[in-house]
Formats: sequence, C-alpha cells, structure tokens
Amino acid sequence: GQQVMQIPQYQHVQEGEDFTTYCNSSTTLSNIQWYKQRPGGHPVFLIQLVKSGEVKKQKRLTFQFGEAKKNSSLHITATQTTDVGTYFCAGRPGGSNYKLTFGKGTLLTVNP
Amino acid sequence: KAGVTQTPRYLIKTRGQQVTLSCSPISGHRSVSWYQQTPGQGLQFLFEYFSETQRNKGNFPGRFSGRQFSNSRSEMNVSTLELGDSALYLCASSWDSRGTEAFFGQGTRLTVV
Repeated sequence: GQQVMQIPQYQHVQEGEDFTTYCNSSTTLSNIQWYKQRPGGHPVFLIQLVKSGEVKKQKRLTFQFGEAKKNSSLHITATQTTDVGTYFCAGRPGGSNYKLTFGKGTLLTVNP
Repeated sequence: KAGVTQTPRYLIKTRGQQVTLSCSPISGHRSVSWYQQTPGQGLQFLFEYFSETQRNKGNFPGRFSGRQFSNSRSEMNVSTLELGDSALYLCASSWDSRGTEAFFGQGTRLTVV
C-alpha cells in the first residue's frame, strides 16, 4: 500500500534558525496536505498543494510539491517559539482512492 | 460554527472490555475519518465514512469497527481491548473526501489497563 515517509523525526533548533521537513511518497499523489499539531493538541490544517512543482508561502512558511508529485517539503524561515509542534504531511493517491495517508511527522522544538 | 466534537475526552478501560467512541462532525460535512495516534506510529488511518458508507479501511484487526449515521455523526467501536490499543483516537471531518482539508476533533484518550 501507499507509504509516506517523513524526515527528520525530530529537529531541535535555536530560535531564529531555519527548519525544513521532507516528505516522500511511494506512489504519485493527487495532492498533499500539511498539518501542525501543538503539544497536547490536535492536528490543524496548514495548506494543500495540488499542482506539480507548486510552491506556496504563508508568512515564514514555504511549502513545495515536487515535479513528480511524490515529494514535498515545508521550510520555516527564522523559527520562533510559537513554531513548536509536530508537522505532518498527508498525501492522497489519485483515482478513486481518497484515503489520506499521514507521514509520522517531524517534532520541532525551538530553544529561545 | 462548531468544530468537530469527540466524546468522551478520556476513557480508562480494562483489557477484554469493549469501548465506543463518538464523533460529531462539522455541520454540513459528510466525510468522517478515524485515526489512531501513538507516539511511535504517528497517525494511523482506521477508516473513512462518507454518507453512511465505509469508503476506506486501514490495516487494523476486525476488533475495530465503525459506522456513520444519517446525520453524519460517527461512532467507532473496539472490542476485546488490548493494552496496545491505548492511544489517542482522532476523528476528522471534511465536506467531502476528495481533496478538501480535514478538521480534527480534540480526540479521545483511551487507556487500557
């Protein structure tokens, strides 16, 4: 079945440093979504990417979808303590299979 | 508008018992998915319901089952509980399941002792 691998599993940074998490799917995706889960909270939707090579920005966050629609990345510029949490990617295969498969997430901690 | 509501928030059960968890999606949402979250395995897909029909199922044993009612509310049931079933169970609703964002509830923390 479809697998979504996400690296790294953990990342600790100093406040102000950049952070990137990478996501790779074993199959081509129709779209990929990113979620953030704060400690003790539930996943919250950040963004969805649909087009090959798509790049979207949300303030200090930059999301990319690979040309082959099998990989994606989330980059945070100049991290802040409010960025702490686990970032998940979630991919949907094409066709009639709508199942959303989550990566295991990257836990980001930020040292002030 | 009200978010996704899961009840109960916390539950402690004994091995061998059964449990039923409830999820009320956002009004108008017809798709409800269930996930099991554990520290080592992340978010694992259990099943997805759309308009009362199970559309997708994850790789969980038959002890895990679910259903969706005509008002889109969903329940999941776990029978013959095992210690390994201890986890956060998350429900997510979306308008449909073809590419719209999923809204998660706060989850039900199940502890099996």
